[in-house]
Amino acid sequence: DAGVIQSPRHEVTEMGQEVTLRCKPISGHDYLFWYRQTMMRGLELLIYFNNNVPIDDSGMPEDRFSAKMPNASFSTLKIQPSEPRDSAVYFCASSPGGGGAQYFGPGTRLLVL
Amino acid sequence: GEDVEQSLFLSVREGDSSVINCTYTDSSSTYLYWYKQEPGAGLQLLTYIFSNMDMKQDQRLTVLLNKKDKHLSLRIADTQTGDSAIYFCAETFSSNTGKLIFGQGTTLQVKP
Repeated sequence: DAGVIQSPRHEVTEMGQEVTLRCKPISGHDYLFWYRQTMMRGLELLIYFNNNVPIDDSGMPEDRFSAKMPNASFSTLKIQPSEPRDSAVYFCASSPGGGGAQYFGPGTRLLVL
Repeated sequence: GEDVEQSLFLSVREGDSSVINCTYTDSSSTYLYWYKQEPGAGLQLLTYIFSNMDMKQDQRLTVLLNKKDKHLSLRIADTQTGDSAIYFCAETFSSNTGKLIFGQGTTLQVKP
Protein backbone atom coordinates (compact mmCIF):
# COMPACT_ATOMS: atom_id res chain seq x y z
CA ASP A 1 0.00 0.00 0.00
CA ALA A 2 1.27 3.48 -0.83
CA GLY A 3 0.19 4.91 2.50
CA VAL A 4 -1.67 8.18 2.93
CA ILE A 5 -1.06 10.47 -0.02
CA GLN A 6 -1.25 14.24 0.23
CA SER A 7 -0.91 16.92 -2.39
CA PRO A 8 0.58 19.34 -2.91
CA ARG A 9 3.61 18.85 -0.67
CA HIS A 10 4.34 22.55 -0.64
CA GLU A 11 2.09 25.50 -1.34
CA VAL A 12 2.99 29.18 -1.37
CA THR A 13 0.15 31.61 -1.90
CA GLU A 14 -0.80 35.18 -1.27
CA MET A 15 -3.20 36.38 1.37
CA GLY A 16 -6.78 36.26 0.15
CA GLN A 17 -6.28 33.38 -2.25
CA GLU A 18 -8.14 30.09 -2.03
CA VAL A 19 -6.08 27.06 -1.03
CA THR A 20 -7.15 23.45 -1.54
CA LEU A 21 -5.30 20.59 0.10
CA ARG A 22 -5.94 17.02 -0.98
CA CYS A 23 -5.72 13.65 0.69
CA LYS A 24 -6.08 10.02 -0.34
CA PRO A 25 -6.41 7.73 2.67
CA ILE A 26 -5.24 4.14 2.94
CA SER A 27 -7.70 1.84 1.20
CA GLY A 28 -10.11 0.21 3.63
CA HIS A 29 -9.66 2.78 6.39
CA ASP A 30 -12.98 4.15 7.62
CA TYR A 31 -11.64 7.22 9.41
CA LEU A 32 -9.91 10.26 7.99
CA PHE A 33 -8.39 13.09 10.02
CA TRP A 34 -7.08 16.54 9.17
CA TYR A 35 -4.47 18.07 11.50
CA ARG A 36 -2.56 21.32 11.55
CA GLN A 37 0.90 21.63 13.10
CA THR A 38 2.65 24.86 14.07
CA MET A 39 5.48 25.69 16.43
CA MET A 40 3.18 27.78 18.60
CA ARG A 41 0.19 25.46 18.91
CA GLY A 42 1.66 22.05 18.20
CA LEU A 43 -0.52 19.38 16.58
CA GLU A 44 -4.21 20.31 16.38
CA LEU A 45 -7.05 18.12 15.16
CA LEU A 46 -9.20 20.14 12.77
CA ILE A 47 -11.87 17.68 11.66
CA TYR A 48 -12.42 13.98 11.19
CA PHE A 49 -14.69 11.80 9.09
CA ASN A 50 -16.13 8.32 9.55
CA ASN A 51 -17.34 6.59 6.39
CA ASN A 52 -17.17 9.93 4.56
CA VAL A 53 -19.37 11.70 7.11
CA PRO A 54 -17.92 14.57 9.21
CA ILE A 55 -18.07 13.54 12.87
CA ASP A 56 -16.35 16.35 14.74
CA ASP A 57 -15.37 19.68 13.21
CA SER A 58 -14.92 21.54 16.48
CA GLY A 59 -11.25 22.07 15.72
CA MET A 60 -11.88 24.00 12.51
CA PRO A 61 -10.63 27.49 13.34
CA GLU A 62 -13.27 29.52 11.56
CA ASP A 63 -15.65 29.63 8.64
CA ARG A 64 -12.81 30.20 6.22
CA PHE A 65 -11.97 26.51 6.63
CA SER A 66 -14.06 23.75 5.10
CA ALA A 67 -13.49 20.05 4.49
CA LYS A 68 -15.22 17.51 2.33
CA MET A 69 -15.01 13.80 1.72
CA PRO A 70 -17.01 13.01 -1.42
CA ASN A 71 -15.95 9.34 -1.42
CA ALA A 72 -13.91 6.84 0.55
CA SER A 73 -10.71 7.57 -1.33
CA PHE A 74 -10.57 11.36 -1.40
CA SER A 75 -10.83 14.35 0.90
CA THR A 76 -10.14 18.05 0.57
CA LEU A 77 -9.43 20.81 3.05
CA LYS A 78 -10.12 24.27 1.69
CA ILE A 79 -9.16 27.66 3.07
CA GLN A 80 -10.91 30.64 1.54
CA PRO A 81 -9.71 33.33 1.88
CA SER A 82 -6.29 32.38 3.21
CA GLU A 83 -4.43 34.51 5.76
CA PRO A 84 -0.76 34.57 6.86
CA ARG A 85 -1.70 32.99 10.21
CA ASP A 86 -2.88 29.90 8.31
CA SER A 87 0.76 29.13 7.48
CA ALA A 88 1.44 25.68 8.92
CA VAL A 89 1.96 22.06 8.00
CA TYR A 90 -1.33 20.29 7.35
CA PHE A 91 -1.45 16.54 7.85
CA CYS A 92 -4.00 14.03 6.76
CA ALA A 93 -4.23 10.70 8.58
CA SER A 94 -6.41 7.63 8.22
CA SER A 95 -7.34 4.84 10.58
CA PRO A 96 -9.28 1.59 10.48
CA GLY A 97 -11.05 2.78 13.62
CA GLY A 98 -11.97 0.78 16.70
CA GLY A 99 -9.05 2.27 18.59
CA GLY A 100 -6.62 1.39 15.83
CA ALA A 101 -3.58 3.46 15.00
CA GLN A 102 -3.66 6.48 12.73
CA TYR A 103 -1.36 6.57 9.74
CA PHE A 104 -0.15 9.97 8.66
CA GLY A 105 0.62 11.40 5.27
CA PRO A 106 3.78 13.41 4.61
CA GLY A 107 1.96 16.71 5.07
CA THR A 108 1.43 19.86 3.04
CA ARG A 109 3.61 22.78 4.03
CA LEU A 110 1.54 25.92 3.47
CA LEU A 111 2.98 29.41 3.42
CA VAL A 112 0.59 32.35 3.05
CA LEU A 113 2.35 35.61 2.25
CA GLY B 1 -11.23 16.07 29.96
CA GLU B 2 -8.67 13.92 28.24
CA ASP B 3 -5.11 15.17 28.42
CA VAL B 4 -1.71 13.75 27.56
CA GLU B 5 1.44 15.34 29.01
CA GLN B 6 5.06 14.96 27.96
CA SER B 7 8.27 16.72 28.81
CA LEU B 8 9.38 18.92 25.93
CA PHE B 9 13.05 18.09 25.54
CA LEU B 10 15.56 15.31 26.21
CA SER B 11 19.25 15.27 25.35
CA VAL B 12 21.40 12.12 25.47
CA ARG B 13 24.76 10.94 24.18
CA GLU B 14 25.01 8.44 21.36
CA GLY B 15 25.05 4.90 22.74
CA ASP B 16 23.20 5.81 25.92
CA SER B 17 19.60 4.80 26.65
CA SER B 18 16.82 7.35 26.24
CA VAL B 19 13.65 7.31 28.30
CA ILE B 20 10.74 9.44 27.18
CA ASN B 21 7.85 9.76 29.60
CA CYS B 22 4.17 10.44 29.17
CA THR B 23 1.18 10.74 31.48
CA TYR B 24 -2.42 10.42 30.43
CA THR B 25 -5.78 10.90 32.07
CA ASP B 26 -8.28 8.55 30.46
CA SER B 27 -8.11 5.23 32.29
CA SER B 28 -10.44 3.65 29.74
CA SER B 29 -7.92 4.03 26.90
CA THR B 30 -7.60 0.75 25.05
CA TYR B 31 -4.37 1.45 23.17
CA LEU B 32 -1.48 3.80 23.77
CA TYR B 33 0.84 4.76 20.95
CA TRP B 34 4.26 6.19 20.31
CA TYR B 35 4.89 8.14 17.13
CA LYS B 36 8.15 9.53 15.76
CA GLN B 37 8.40 12.68 13.65
CA GLU B 38 11.63 13.41 11.83
CA PRO B 39 12.28 16.93 10.50
CA GLY B 40 10.08 17.75 7.53
CA ALA B 41 8.16 14.48 7.73
CA GLY B 42 4.83 13.21 8.98
CA LEU B 43 4.25 11.24 12.15
CA GLN B 44 5.39 7.65 11.86
CA LEU B 45 3.86 4.97 14.07
CA LEU B 46 6.68 3.49 16.14
CA THR B 47 4.96 1.10 18.47
CA TYR B 48 1.87 0.66 20.59
CA ILE B 49 0.76 -1.17 23.71
CA PHE B 50 -2.59 -2.59 24.60
CA SER B 51 -3.95 -1.35 27.90
CA ASN B 52 -3.92 -4.79 29.55
CA MET B 53 -0.16 -5.14 29.03
CA ASP B 54 2.63 -3.86 31.28
CA MET B 55 5.50 -4.03 28.85
CA LYS B 56 6.19 -4.48 25.19
CA GLN B 57 9.62 -4.88 23.61
CA ASP B 58 10.41 -4.39 19.95
CA GLN B 59 14.13 -4.51 19.11
CA ARG B 60 15.69 -1.40 20.68
CA LEU B 61 12.34 -0.08 21.88
CA THR B 62 10.73 -0.95 25.21
CA VAL B 63 7.33 0.43 26.19
CA LEU B 64 6.34 0.36 29.85
CA LEU B 65 2.80 1.01 31.02
CA ASN B 66 1.82 1.74 34.61
CA LYS B 67 -1.97 1.87 34.57
CA LYS B 68 -2.25 2.73 38.24
CA ASP B 69 -0.23 5.91 37.77
CA LYS B 70 -1.39 6.43 34.17
CA HIS B 71 2.22 6.62 33.10
CA LEU B 72 3.68 5.47 29.81
CA SER B 73 7.35 5.42 28.87
CA LEU B 74 9.41 4.68 25.79
CA ARG B 75 12.94 3.43 26.27
CA ILE B 76 15.34 3.49 23.33
CA ALA B 77 18.41 1.36 23.90
CA ASP B 78 21.75 2.26 22.32
CA THR B 79 20.43 5.59 21.06
CA GLN B 80 21.74 6.62 17.66
CA THR B 81 21.93 10.02 15.96
CA GLY B 82 19.19 8.79 13.62
CA ASP B 83 16.87 8.61 16.61
CA SER B 84 16.91 12.40 16.88
CA ALA B 85 13.30 13.41 16.33
CA ILE B 86 10.13 14.48 18.09
CA TYR B 87 8.33 11.66 19.87
CA PHE B 88 4.59 11.84 20.52
CA CYS B 89 2.58 9.62 22.79
CA ALA B 90 -1.13 9.25 22.14
CA GLU B 91 -4.09 7.55 23.77
CA THR B 92 -7.33 6.38 22.25
CA PHE B 93 -10.18 8.79 22.89
CA SER B 94 -12.70 5.98 22.72
CA SER B 95 -12.64 2.51 21.24
CA ASN B 96 -15.73 3.51 19.29
CA THR B 97 -13.91 6.15 17.28
CA GLY B 98 -10.59 6.49 15.57
CA LYS B 99 -9.80 9.67 17.47
CA LEU B 100 -6.51 9.86 19.38
CA ILE B 101 -5.38 12.37 21.98
CA PHE B 102 -1.77 13.40 21.37
CA GLY B 103 0.79 14.79 23.76
CA GLN B 104 2.73 17.89 22.79
CA GLY B 105 5.79 15.88 21.78
CA THR B 106 9.26 15.38 23.24
CA THR B 107 12.24 16.53 21.20
CA LEU B 108 15.05 14.00 21.52
CA GLN B 109 18.51 15.34 20.78
CA VAL B 110 21.26 12.75 20.39
CA LYS B 111 24.79 14.11 20.69
CA PRO B 112 27.64 12.22 19.01
